[in-house]
Amino acid sequence: DAGITQSPRHKVTETGTPVTLRCHQTENHRYMYWYRQDPGHGLRLIHYSYGVKDTDKGEVSDGYSVSRSKTEDFLLTLESATSSQTSVYFCAISEQGETETQYFGPGTRLLVL
Amino acid sequence: GNSVTQMEGPVTLSEEAFLTINCTYTATGYPSLFWYVQYPGEGLQLLLKATKADDKGSNKGFEATYRKETTSFHLEKGSVQVSDSAVYFCALLSHNNDMRFGAGTRLTVKP
Repeated sequence: DAGITQSPRHKVTETGTPVTLRCHQTENHRYMYWYRQDPGHGLRLIHYSYGVKDTDKGEVSDGYSVSRSKTEDFLLTLESATSSQTSVYFCAISEQGETETQYFGPGTRLLVL
Repeated sequence: GNSVTQMEGPVTLSEEAFLTINCTYTATGYPSLFWYVQYPGEGLQLLLKATKADDKGSNKGFEATYRKETTSFHLEKGSVQVSDSAVYFCALLSHNNDMRFGAGTRLTVKP
């Protein structure tokens, strides 16, 4: 299994508070991704990174920001959480991006009250 | 834009039954196609993939063939087991890192 951990695994927060989710990898892969999973939508890409300090937006990036200061860590921040951001968040990594296989972390379940 | 459509579930089968989960896609160019499986409380695991037309991906008795003429990547297994109960996701990945997933199909296999 790819060495990917996510923290926290579960979080409950209130509307309007900032939240940061962390993804950590031990594979030294160049690409890292953040997805959200919602019923009826499968997974949708929020942001991805193609290197340290290099990031780009995905399909559903509004309300989210990311940072990558080290190869192994990719942070997802909800600046001011809303109830519509209640979801399960998955991090993924791939070695080269483009058509390379992505490997997924165990997920973080976030509830915004 | 790119998109994936897979058959709605849930699907309930008896052990040793034949499984088909349909997946069709819309994409420009020549994407790679994947099937991922998600067990309860876990992340997605790669089940199989195909990177070009007519390729067949296979793993653990599951198979899927990349059919460009019908833009399909249907998942099949000849004899399912209770342990195959999970949610299955079809996905495509195009060259600009655009990864799209289907909505998922929940499979339950009964003894």
